[in-house]
Amino acid sequence: AQKVTQAQTEISVVEKEDVTLDCVYETRDTTYYLFWYKQPPSGELVFLIRRNSFDEQNEISGRYSWNFQKSTSSFNFTITASQVVDSAVYFCALSPHGSGNTGKLIFGQGTTLQVKP
Amino acid sequence: ETGVTQTPRHLVMGMTNKKSLKCEQHLGHNAMYWYKQSAKKPLELMFVYSLEERVENNSVPSRFSPECPNSSHLFLHLHTLQPEDSALYLCASSQGTLPTDTQYFGPGTRLTVL
Repeated sequence: AQKVTQAQTEISVVEKEDVTLDCVYETRDTTYYLFWYKQPPSGELVFLIRRNSFDEQNEISGRYSWNFQKSTSSFNFTITASQVVDSAVYFCALSPHGSGNTGKLIFGQGTTLQVKP
Repeated sequence: ETGVTQTPRHLVMGMTNKKSLKCEQHLGHNAMYWYKQSAKKPLELMFVYSLEERVENNSVPSRFSPECPNSSHLFLHLHTLQPEDSALYLCASSQGTLPTDTQYFGPGTRLTVL
């Protein structure tokens, strides 16, 4: 089965706190791609990162960092020193290589992050 | 205009109405998608078009009818909808339909069916 689980439905933090959003995936494919998207209140999903299954290096982009661990099938997302503008719904998604040429993306349920001033 | 645009942003319709949602991408991509996002549900892929041909139809009821006249435009024609079809409809585009191709999304159309 192909599946993405974001167990945290809602997280609330105070500004400047660090926060980690969890993502666990299931796939039988050995080649696959993982994505994170941000959905602010305006509705548009904003692409944050794409990672392929062969690259387990952690990535940092400003206050954002991603921890990919193949051994635990997890691709967690950490925001350091959170800001009110980080308030949004965050989605983790999986694109299995076995999906062929159909553009199929499997999304998790999303985690709603609220950052309070 | 840049990226992916969708019109209208909000739509209220009765169950007997016929309406259309429009999506336009300005990224030079070859693939376009329709997704449905209901409250408390993951995004559901509805249709995928690649080079104006439909490559995926995820068991969507026939009251939703997509149209892709060219690689920059995608429509979703709606008729005799049900209240449970009320949702945010998102359009996306990507260079191709390979697993490596990142999808870029529009702002969505918030649809309410009365």
